[in-house]
Amino acid sequence: GAVVSQHPSWVICKSGTSVKIECRSLDFQATTMFWYRQFPKQSLMLMATSNEGSKATYEQGVEKDKFLINHASLTLSTLTVTSAHPEDSSFYICSADLLAGARTDTQYFGPGTRLTVL
Amino acid sequence: QKEVEQDPGPLSVPEGAIVSLNCTYSNSAFQYFMWYRQYSRKGPELLMYTYSSGNKEDGRFTAQVDKSSKYISLFIRDSQPSDSATYLCAMNMDTGRRALTFGSGTRLQVQP
Repeated sequence: GAVVSQHPSWVICKSGTSVKIECRSLDFQATTMFWYRQFPKQSLMLMATSNEGSKATYEQGVEKDKFLINHASLTLSTLTVTSAHPEDSSFYICSADLLAGARTDTQYFGPGTRLTVL
Repeated sequence: QKEVEQDPGPLSVPEGAIVSLNCTYSNSAFQYFMWYRQYSRKGPELLMYTYSSGNKEDGRFTAQVDKSSKYISLFIRDSQPSDSATYLCAMNMDTGRRALTFGSGTRLQVQP
């Protein structure tokens, strides 16, 4: 099946610093990628939809100036958490859409990135 | 009220048992239904995908959808310790919006 990677798998940073998380589709092109956040023992909550070559669409309540998303190519989307604070500590997961317009089971999830802000 | 409700568990069963996992939803616009398995500190892995009401079987897994009751189930036969994970139901609308709405997940522990 299609493979999605994330880098880094975990990161610890100081409060006030910025952290960049990469999401790559390794063997397919993805016009759309999704970024989710998952707090401990909770489900995945959609943060934003990332479309190649255009601005991301953010869910209500997600600060677009704090969570910067760039989808510059068909295989790479990045999420930058700017001026991170301890409450941003979470598990960030991306998914990539294999083929826009196809069935929903063509979404593939990355392994996640665990962010801890001290 | 959450759009998708799922009992968080934990659910503990002996090896070989039949496991029943369920979700209810409130929005009749949901048309596509999925079950994902998520091991600790890993991304979700797609197990089953269904569209229409009825049953779909794949090996030891059976997905059931009842759109009239807004209720979906996942059955695991002959459960194994390796099935121990969190199971997430997810669903999507037929509107071109492809992001998924997830249930909160049920943590399953299969005891050897």
